[in-house]
Amino acid sequence: DAKTTQPPSMDCAEGRAANLPCNHSTISGNEYVYWYRQIHSQGPQYIIHGLKNNETNEMASLIITEDRKSSTLILPHATLRDTAVYYCIVRVAGVYNQGGKLIFGQGTELSVKP
Amino acid sequence: GAVVSQHPSRVICKSGTSVKIECRSLDFQATTMFWYRQFPKQSLMLMATSNEGSKATYEQGVEKDKFLINHASLTLSTLTVTSAHPEDSSFYICSASKDSLRGLYGYTFGSGTRLTVV
Repeated sequence: DAKTTQPPSMDCAEGRAANLPCNHSTISGNEYVYWYRQIHSQGPQYIIHGLKNNETNEMASLIITEDRKSSTLILPHATLRDTAVYYCIVRVAGVYNQGGKLIFGQGTELSVKP
Repeated sequence: GAVVSQHPSRVICKSGTSVKIECRSLDFQATTMFWYRQFPKQSLMLMATSNEGSKATYEQGVEKDKFLINHASLTLSTLTVTSAHPEDSSFYICSASKDSLRGLYGYTFGSGTRLTVV
């Protein structure tokens, strides 16, 4: 299973972009990168995922390096409500690339400060 | 969207009793459901994966006789903690996925169940 490495904690000023890095140097060609966040005592919330290309949605942007060994989640204008633990996960593919499971690492605790 | 409901949100039980936690996919039929456990200040630990109508696949070190998983329909999975002990106190979280929706919604998680065994 491909492992991910994230900094344990980061701070960000409110209104500024938050850039959360993730290293996944052993990722396989058919494995996706998923990002989730968890606010205290809640279930994880899906943010974004990608395979090779950069992705953007209403919550964030995902930048994946060309060699796919690392990625960065960008929250363009962080707010206090973005304070959470952010998990970068490489999806373990299931049989026939269906199913699969998410194995969580330790994540990055992001603190957005006023 | 893809919504997963988990019930109850909190439960307190006596040592030696069993507790059932339900996980429902409200607006989609889940191909696969997952159960996680999370201790304070730790990450989520995958316990088992279940597919509708088949036996759950447990992760290494998870006691299948203690944590009974039933996935009787495409919208409902249950986790029963049997003969609960204080060390089973934890935050239990379910997740559901449908292959055709994963591109849009990823894997959807429930809001979790806080189990306290006294």
